[in-house]
Amino acid sequence: DGGITQSPKYLFRKEGQNVTLSCEQNLNHDAMYWYRQDPGQGLRLIYYSQIVNDFQKGDIAEGYSVSREKKESFPLTVTSAQKNPTAFYLCASSANRDPGTGELFFGEGSRLTVL
Amino acid sequence: GQNIDQPTEMTATEGAIVQINCTYQTSGFNGLFWYQQHAGEAPTFLSYNVLDGLEEKGRFSSFLSRSKGYSYLLLKELQMKDSASYLCAVSDSNYQLIWGAGTKLIIKP
Repeated sequence: DGGITQSPKYLFRKEGQNVTLSCEQNLNHDAMYWYRQDPGQGLRLIYYSQIVNDFQKGDIAEGYSVSREKKESFPLTVTSAQKNPTAFYLCASSANRDPGTGELFFGEGSRLTVL
Repeated sequence: GQNIDQPTEMTATEGAIVQINCTYQTSGFNGLFWYQQHAGEAPTFLSYNVLDGLEEKGRFSSFLSRSKGYSYLLLKELQMKDSASYLCAVSDSNYQLIWGAGTKLIIKP
């Protein structure tokens, strides 16, 4: 079945540690996105990539990094510089280059808790 | 600034009808999306409106009025599985999505 797979589903991290969240898609989509979801707030865009080997900062990129070496993969690293990393992270992809031009397909999410 | 407003929480009865409203103020408008998200799961696409009027898709319908900056999602014949959060998102002038905080819908038997 085609879809997006995120891992791990739950992750605990000590302060000062970097963690990497995995996102893999087999939908052959060019565009991939990372969103952060916090209670009482709308989804906020962290980074997005419209094509392999290229990515752009979203609204809240500070303290995060990404890479897009393969079309299928768009991992997100939450660095120790991110001041409040505890959140639910959602990866998405779309067949269109911009998120507001068509349906987004989301992964199941990764819940990161900093201890 | 850009703003999307939705009620935080709504309660309805199984078998009834519920309307979830979304009002928006954005820099430009290129369409409005509704997504459903069950707790702890991925959001899934429900509808997309770019022209004024009502779009019907089974038990779900979505309405848009661009002049009023207003949309609603109408759910008919409510089922327990409809208990979820419903997210409204507007595509702005740059085709970037502005998301509302979501409306948590609780269905009671």
